[in-house]
Amino acid sequence: DAGVTQSPTHLIKTRGQQVTLRCSPISGHKSVSWYQQVLGQGPQFIFQYYEKEERGRGNFPDRFSARQFPNYSSELNVNALLLGDSALYLCASSSGQVLPLNQPQHFGDGTRLSIL
Amino acid sequence: QKEVEQNSGPLSVPEGAIASLNCTYSDRGSQSFFWYRQYSGKSPELIMSIYSNGDKEDGRFTAQLNKASQYVSLLIRDSQPSDSATYLCAVSDYKLSFGAGTTVTVRA
Repeated sequence: DAGVTQSPTHLIKTRGQQVTLRCSPISGHKSVSWYQQVLGQGPQFIFQYYEKEERGRGNFPDRFSARQFPNYSSELNVNALLLGDSALYLCASSSGQVLPLNQPQHFGDGTRLSIL
Repeated sequence: QKEVEQNSGPLSVPEGAIASLNCTYSDRGSQSFFWYRQYSGKSPELIMSIYSNGDKEDGRFTAQLNKASQYVSLLIRDSQPSDSATYLCAVSDYKLSFGAGTTVTVRA
């Protein structure tokens, strides 16, 4: 069975640009979460979506937005990119319902975003 | 105060020894606890989940949870070079909160 898939794997952007990252969850998983991981730190929660609705949001600016599609895939958008947005962006899916997140989350390989 | 704190590393252990990893969390309402392993340049991989007080064993891994002390630990028995990685403690309430991770190196 396919795991969580993310695209692209690597991306280079310049300051001020916009980026869209994509994620397909494990088949049957309806919950998708996004995390940002800066080098040397643990992942930081950005968003959780369940049944196409935002169910949780971390402490990130409004430049970050996301959505979930009817097939449960998801996109993360970041506008007006800053140097500090350089990070590994991870998508995770879960078989659990909404909150709290009692079911384990399974991560994709991530998208490494570099801002020049 | 950080939500999830892990013992600072790096932790170096000889092959065959026990590696002990510790984690404390601040939110008493947390209900679910997870340990992830992350190899350099890779994404986190779930290795253990624990939901109730006590010990949970899975192969060479044992997770321990003490909700009264707000403490979670992971023991890796018979450590192998392939266990060399960063281990992330994660605590769940309405979101999954991660510690900064402890890097473990197993010396052959």
